[in-house]
Amino acid sequence: DQQVKQNSPSLSVQEGRISILNCDYTNSMFDYFLWYKKYPAEGPTFLISISSIKDKNEDGRFTVFLNKSAKHLSLHIVPSQPGDSAVYFCAAKGDTGKLIFGQGTTLQVKP
Amino acid sequence: ETGVTQTPRHLVMGMTNKKSLKCEQHLGHNAMYWYKQSAKKPLELMFVYSLEERVENNSVPSRFSPECPNSSHLFLHLHTLQPEDSALYLCASSQEVGGRATTEAFFGQGTRLTVV
Repeated sequence: DQQVKQNSPSLSVQEGRISILNCDYTNSMFDYFLWYKKYPAEGPTFLISISSIKDKNEDGRFTVFLNKSAKHLSLHIVPSQPGDSAVYFCAAKGDTGKLIFGQGTTLQVKP
Repeated sequence: ETGVTQTPRHLVMGMTNKKSLKCEQHLGHNAMYWYKQSAKKPLELMFVYSLEERVENNSVPSRFSPECPNSSHLFLHLHTLQPEDSALYLCASSQEVGGRATTEAFFGQGTRLTVV
C-alpha cells in the first residue's frame, strides 16, 4: 500500500512557463511534507517543505501548496528553467518520524 | 569532506559474492538510513539507525545486513544477492529527537549496484 503517490511519471514544460508537480497521500497522520530534487548520478537534495499547519510555503521560484482535506500537495516552479530538469520526489513524515517517499516525477524543461 | 559520502559509486557483483557498501556523514547527525531506489518505484526505506542502534528494519531480506559502528559510519553488507536487487542504494542522515527527524534528510550520491 503506497502512502505517497506521484501519479505523473513525467512532465515536459517550456522554459519560462510554470511547472506544477503533484503529490497525493493517504495517511492523515502525516504532518510534514517535503520535496526533493534529484539529478542523474547524484543523491536527492532537499528543496522545500511545508508543515500541515500551513497551506502554502514559498521560496524564490518554488512554492508548495498543501490541501489537507484533499490530501494533496503540489510544487509550483515559476518561471521554469532548463536547470530545473530533474526527478522530483515528494515525501511525507508522520507519527513514525520517518520519511515516506513517492515514486518521483521526471521534469524536463525545454529551452 | 562535508555532507554524506558513499563508496563505491558503482558496484557489479555476482550472486555468490560478498561485498559491502560504505556511508560516512560529516554533519554531526545522530541518525542514519539506508534507502533503495528501483526504477519507477518510490525510495524504499530499508534500515534506520538512531544513536547507533537499529530501530527499524522494513522487512528487508537477510541477504542485506547493516552495520553502524558509530554515529558517523554506516555499512550495508551484501551476500548472495539476486539480480532483482540491482538498484541505487542511498544513504541518508538526519538529526533525530525522540525518534523524529528534526532536520530534513541529507542524502549521499548513492551506490549503483548491479547483480549479475
